[in-house]
Amino acid sequence: ETGVTQTPRHLVMGMTNKKSLKCEQHLGHNAMYWYKQSAKKPLELMFVYSLEERVENNSVPSRFSPECPNSSHLFLHLHTLQPEDSALYLCASSQDGFGYEQYFGPGTRLTVT
Amino acid sequence: AQSVTQLDSQVPVFEEAPVELRCNYSSSVSVYLFWYVQYPNQGLQLLLKYLSGSTLVESINGFEAEFNKSQTSFHLRKPSVHISDTAEYFCAVTRRGDDKIIFGKGTRLHILP
Repeated sequence: ETGVTQTPRHLVMGMTNKKSLKCEQHLGHNAMYWYKQSAKKPLELMFVYSLEERVENNSVPSRFSPECPNSSHLFLHLHTLQPEDSALYLCASSQDGFGYEQYFGPGTRLTVT
Repeated sequence: AQSVTQLDSQVPVFEEAPVELRCNYSSSVSVYLFWYVQYPNQGLQLLLKYLSGSTLVESINGFEAEFNKSQTSFHLRKPSVHISDTAEYFCAVTRRGDDKIIFGKGTRLHILP
């Protein structure tokens, strides 16, 4: 596998479920990002991890909980979501210090029912 | 604060015709500018970037963008589009020394046969 992979690609969950999104990068990068992409809205940066430490949390509700166990893996744990959380969730990675050149995964299309 | 404005949410153009996707930014400091492309069902990919030097930058697939400081613009152009250029294009800005990218809302390029 090369680049940035995300699983699952599609997820449907109820408002009371708990699920996790997974991101893995095979590029040797040490910074990783979660973005939310909703229709007709700009890409929203959610979390940034650099060298496995969270360096940015853009006022994201606590029902989203990130985890970065090592520089290659990033998770987004979801619980008690709302229908307005339905969106495409994109993971990206970059080399620390070169955050302007990010490599994106294909995304997970999340639908909350 | 930085911001990016993409005035057109959708641009239809006939195949082999020229296209320009507009992008304006606001920032009080020196910036890096980017265009990312998102093909259907994929994540974003870096198309081209302006960091310094020549104000005209080119991509490998025929797109170019020109940094115009006086007009605070970074419009994307291609002299002849192909059906494979169908995608959403995102203009983005970051400050020098900052790892956070601010994305525009995106412009969907729709190629007509």
